[in-house]
Amino acid sequence: GQQLNQSPQSMFIQEGEDVSMNCTSSSIFNTWLWYKQDPGEGPVLLIALYKAGELTSNGRLTAQFGITRKDSFLNISASIPSDVGIYFCAGPNTGNQFYFGTGTSLTVIP
Amino acid sequence: SQTIHQWPATLVQPVGSPLSLECTVEGTSNPNLYWYRQAAGRGLQLLFYSVGIGQISSEVPQNLSASRPQDRQFILSSKKLLLSDSGFYLCAWMGGHLSYNSPLHFGNGTRLTVT
Repeated sequence: GQQLNQSPQSMFIQEGEDVSMNCTSSSIFNTWLWYKQDPGEGPVLLIALYKAGELTSNGRLTAQFGITRKDSFLNISASIPSDVGIYFCAGPNTGNQFYFGTGTSLTVIP
Repeated sequence: SQTIHQWPATLVQPVGSPLSLECTVEGTSNPNLYWYRQAAGRGLQLLFYSVGIGQISSEVPQNLSASRPQDRQFILSSKKLLLSDSGFYLCAWMGGHLSYNSPLHFGNGTRLTVT
C-alpha cells in the first residue's frame, strides 16, 4: 500500500495556541482528507480537498492541498481543550482504496 | 441522510473462537465498503474493501475474511481467533449514489480483545 508520513507524531500545546501539522505521500493523490479521532470512536471527517493548491476552512481549521499533490497541511487556530485527539490525513488511490497517515496526537493544556 | 452501524461495540473472545463483526449502511445504494484495523490508537490498516455484492479485495494476508452478502452489509469473520487479532476494527463506506469524490465515512468501531 501507499505510505503517508504525518508529522509531528505528537504535540503538547497551551490552550489558545495555533497548531500546524502536515502529511506527505510517496505518490500523487487527487484527493486529500483530514480526520479527527476521539478515544474509542471512529474518525470523523474534518476537511476534504479535491484540487491542487486548494485552501479550505472549517471554522478554526484550515487545510491546504499541496501544489505537488504529494502533501497537505492542517492548521488549527486558537486551540481549545476539545481539540484534543488524533488527527489523520488520508487519500485514495485510483481504485478508491483509502490510505491513512500515521496520525498526530494533539494534547491541549488548559 | 446516510448512516453506518457497526456492532458489537466491544467484544472479548478466547483464542481459537470464531468471530463475526457486522456493518450496515443506510441511506445510500451500491456503496464501497471497507474494514480497517487500528492497533494501540494509531495507524489505520486497510484489511478489506468491496465495490459490490460478493466482491471482496484483501489488502494483507491474515487470519480474517470478509463477506458482502447484501448491498449495504459487510461482515468481518474469522474461524479461529489469534491473540494478534486484538484491536479496534472500523467499518467505513464511501460513494454509492454520491459523486466519485465522496470521502470515507466511519462507523464507531468494535474493540476486540482476544484472551
